[in-house]
Amino acid sequence: DQQVKQNSPSLSVQEGRISILNCDYTNSMFDYFLWYKKYPAEGPTFLISISSIKDKNEDGRFTVFLNKSAKHLSLHIVPSQPGDSAVYFCAATGYSTLTFGKGTMLLVSP
Amino acid sequence: KAGVTQTPRYLIKTRGQQVTLSCSPISGHRSVSWYQQTPGQGLQFLFEYFSETQRNKGNFPGRFSGRQFSNSRSEMNVSTLELGDSALYLCASSSGLAGGLGTDTQYFGPGTRLTVL
Repeated sequence: DQQVKQNSPSLSVQEGRISILNCDYTNSMFDYFLWYKKYPAEGPTFLISISSIKDKNEDGRFTVFLNKSAKHLSLHIVPSQPGDSAVYFCAATGYSTLTFGKGTMLLVSP
Repeated sequence: KAGVTQTPRYLIKTRGQQVTLSCSPISGHRSVSWYQQTPGQGLQFLFEYFSETQRNKGNFPGRFSGRQFSNSRSEMNVSTLELGDSALYLCASSSGLAGGLGTDTQYFGPGTRLTVL
């Protein structure tokens, strides 16, 4: 039973455009959400997080939106850059559990 | 600051053997978490150690165990290896002070690629 789902295995966008990565969760006990980026042959790198008491968090080009009623979060990257090409994982935690989605591979073309 | 280091980077074992993987966290970090990444299941949480005690545990069989030393370095052991244990094993360190798993920023190592033949 996948509690955190990233339904798009891959996404292609052009440089300068917006990238939107989506994530759905089923466990209402999750109260903190994170996005990680992973390059090949490296470990994941923390990008941005959001607490369930907020609906938006921004950090530079990265914005995470949380819709608790829909149990949905999204990561917006504006503007997208070729260096953003990587696998993006969303994760959710309910204090003692940390569950990851299977990832979305983002390809940003020049 | 030096990052999280994992040794060895690659390992080949045969079914039935056991294996020990090592993780050295960022200096000053007291929490070490272990994850298994496979193409089919994605990234799955194994367990977290904080101040030498297992604080949180994922849903893996008892063949997977770990420990943490007083210098915060951690080892993960897998006994009676199965073909399905072939995976990338990642460890992550954090201060661990926030208490909740994942609420402290975690810094991942590059992983150990285990192949079971």
